[in-house]
Amino acid sequence: EVQLVESGGGLVQPGGSLRLSCAASGFTFSSYWMSWVRQSPGKGLEWVANIKSDGSEEQYVDSVKGRFTISRDNAKNSLFVQMNSLRAEDTAVYYCARIPIPSGSGHFDNWGQGTLVTVSS
Amino acid sequence: EIVLTQSPGTLSLSPGERATLSCRASQSISTSYLAWYQQKRGQAPRLLIHGASTRATGIPDRFSGSGSGTDFTLTISRLEPEDFAVYYCQQYHYSPPTFGPGTKVDIK
Repeated sequence: EVQLVESGGGLVQPGGSLRLSCAASGFTFSSYWMSWVRQSPGKGLEWVANIKSDGSEEQYVDSVKGRFTISRDNAKNSLFVQMNSLRAEDTAVYYCARIPIPSGSGHFDNWGQGTLVTVSS
Repeated sequence: EIVLTQSPGTLSLSPGERATLSCRASQSISTSYLAWYQQKRGQAPRLLIHGASTRATGIPDRFSGSGSGTDFTLTISRLEPEDFAVYYCQQYHYSPPTFGPGTKVDIK
């Protein structure tokens, strides 16, 4: 059974940093593109970033470019996102999700339960 | 960026009724690149349909997807109590992948 478990969320001040983690199990993690998708009450679901199966390619939504960095450790079956210069509009539940398409351009077939990030002073 | 519009915003129906949800894209997308998700309160989205009409693993056949170009439809043939939820469409033909705002199906 595919399992994705996020952690690392919390309350952070504007301008602060946070690192989210996602522990994967039940599938060959190193074979899949992975993503972060977030959900806030005001903006619904929003794709944030993708990373290729071997970590050699990253993609970001414009609003987080230069501030967020997605990474992975295939030896530890783990996905990460380092979030810097956080803004109030980054407040959301962050989901880790798997892309089943080898090209990386695909739907999300498995999701974690999410971790809440709140950016507020 | 492709904008997806979903209608109606809320659909009030009774168990056993048929639900028809619409998703319209701001420009034409390939049928291979349209997905539907179900989200219940406090839970993560769950993939229902990909490629516009292919049910994901374990999804009951009362869920069906159709459409092409800019207009896509999710149909739930007979609503079960567990189907009352929010439904989102998503396109992945163009980068960035984008989601619609959702249609809430609630109990009448």
